[in-house]
Amino acid sequence: DIQMTQSPSLLSASVGDRVTINCKASQNINKYLNWYQQKLGEAPKLLIYNTNNLQTGIPSRFSGSGSGTDYTLTISSLQPEDFGTYFCFQHNSWPTFGAGTKLELK
Amino acid sequence: EVQILETGGGLVKPGGSLRLSCATSGFNFNDYFMNWVRQAPGKGLEWVAQIRNKNYNYATYYAESLEGRVTISRDDSKSSVYLQVSSLRAEDTAIYYCTRKGDFDYWGQGVMVTVSS
Repeated sequence: DIQMTQSPSLLSASVGDRVTINCKASQNINKYLNWYQQKLGEAPKLLIYNTNNLQTGIPSRFSGSGSGTDYTLTISSLQPEDFGTYFCFQHNSWPTFGAGTKLELK
Repeated sequence: EVQILETGGGLVKPGGSLRLSCATSGFNFNDYFMNWVRQAPGKGLEWVAQIRNKNYNYATYYAESLEGRVTISRDDSKSSVYLQVSSLRAEDTAIYYCTRKGDFDYWGQGVMVTVSS
C-alpha cells in the first residue's frame, strides 16, 4: 500500500493567514491526490481533486499543487469557516489517506 | 443535489455481525462505483471495500485487513449499497462512511459501529 505522510498534524492560524498543508506519498501517485475538509459530525467535503482541480462550489482561496510524491494544499487567506480537519487521499492505486491536519484558531 | 445516507450502525457484541446500508439520491446511481471507508476513534481513515457498476460486472474489492469478513453489495433499483461485516472485533469499532466513485467525490455523514460486550 502507498503510505501518505501528512504534515503538520496540528496547525494554529489566524483569520487572514496563508496556510499550507503537505502530503508526501511513499511512491509516485501521478497527481491522483485529493484534499478534503471535515468538520465534526459532518461528511468530509472534497475541496481539490487530482492535485489542482477545484471542486465545484469551493472558494478560489483553496488551491493545490504538486507532482510525483509531494503535494500541497494552500489556503490563501483563512476565513472563519475554514477551521476544521483536512486530509489528503490518493487514488492512484488502492486508496489510502493522510492522517489529517487539524486547523485551529490561534 | 447528491445525497448519501448511511444507516444500520449500533452496538454489537464481539463475534457478531452487522449490515450497513447506504441510500443515495441526486445522481444516476447505476453509473457509479461505490465505496465504504471507516475511521476508528482517534485513528486515520481506512478504505474498506469498493463495488463497481454493471459495466464492470459489479466487481468487488476489499482491503486486505478485512478480506473474508466483509461483503459489499448493491441494489441499483434502490440506489443503495450495503456492507455486511461478520466476526466483529473491538478494533472494528469505527465510523463507517459510504463514498461515491473511484475518487471519493461525495461522502455520507457516516454511521457509528461499536463492538463491545
